[in-house]
Amino acid sequence: GDSVTQMEGPVTLSEEAFLTINCTYTATGYPSLFWYVQYPGEGLQLLLKATKADDKGSNKGFEATYRKETTSFHLEKGSVQVSDSAVYFCALSDQASGTYKYIFGTGTRLKVLA
Amino acid sequence: NAGVTQTPKFQVLKTGQSMTLQCAQDMNHNSMYWYRQDPGMGLRLIYYSASEGTTDKGEVPNGYNVSRLNKREFSLRLESAAPSQTSVYFCASSEANVRNSPLHFGNGTRLTVT
Repeated sequence: GDSVTQMEGPVTLSEEAFLTINCTYTATGYPSLFWYVQYPGEGLQLLLKATKADDKGSNKGFEATYRKETTSFHLEKGSVQVSDSAVYFCALSDQASGTYKYIFGTGTRLKVLA
Repeated sequence: NAGVTQTPKFQVLKTGQSMTLQCAQDMNHNSMYWYRQDPGMGLRLIYYSASEGTTDKGEVPNGYNVSRLNKREFSLRLESAAPSQTSVYFCASSEANVRNSPLHFGNGTRLTVT
């Protein structure tokens, strides 16, 4: 079945450091890919998405490129801020038995120190 | 702009008690979902409703029932709570059950079963 694997956390960075959170996936179809962010005490919020190979999703300085050849969708940001501290989830949407299912990774906690 | 509203925010149950988690969305979305979030396991789909009038099992449906009351509301019922159901429960909705449609989440219900 489909699955999403993302790097274990927590990731601790200093403010203005470069961020990469790795995400790889397996899928039987041609999935859409998403990154969600969860702040403490809140639900998940969509951060960015990409729907086909070589698409780049971007939002709030975060970027991720849909790499079909390596089945990856790594999240990057050039300069992190303390306010970026949160848990980040990689996810895919793929069709199974006639409906679309969303599969989530286990999440990567990011802590940014001032 | 309420989005997805879940009630209650917190609940403590004794083993064997029953309760219903409520979820409502005001975005005129067709599809709704219930997930549980456990440490180290990401989000797992309990039940979903691709459209009003339909419900289907997800990855971990045992011990739960759902009702799609109307287009706006999708409730999750625990008939006889067990400690293994201690978790954070998230309701989500999407415009439609299609490949590109992202999920919109509520803020969650934190349930403890003793």
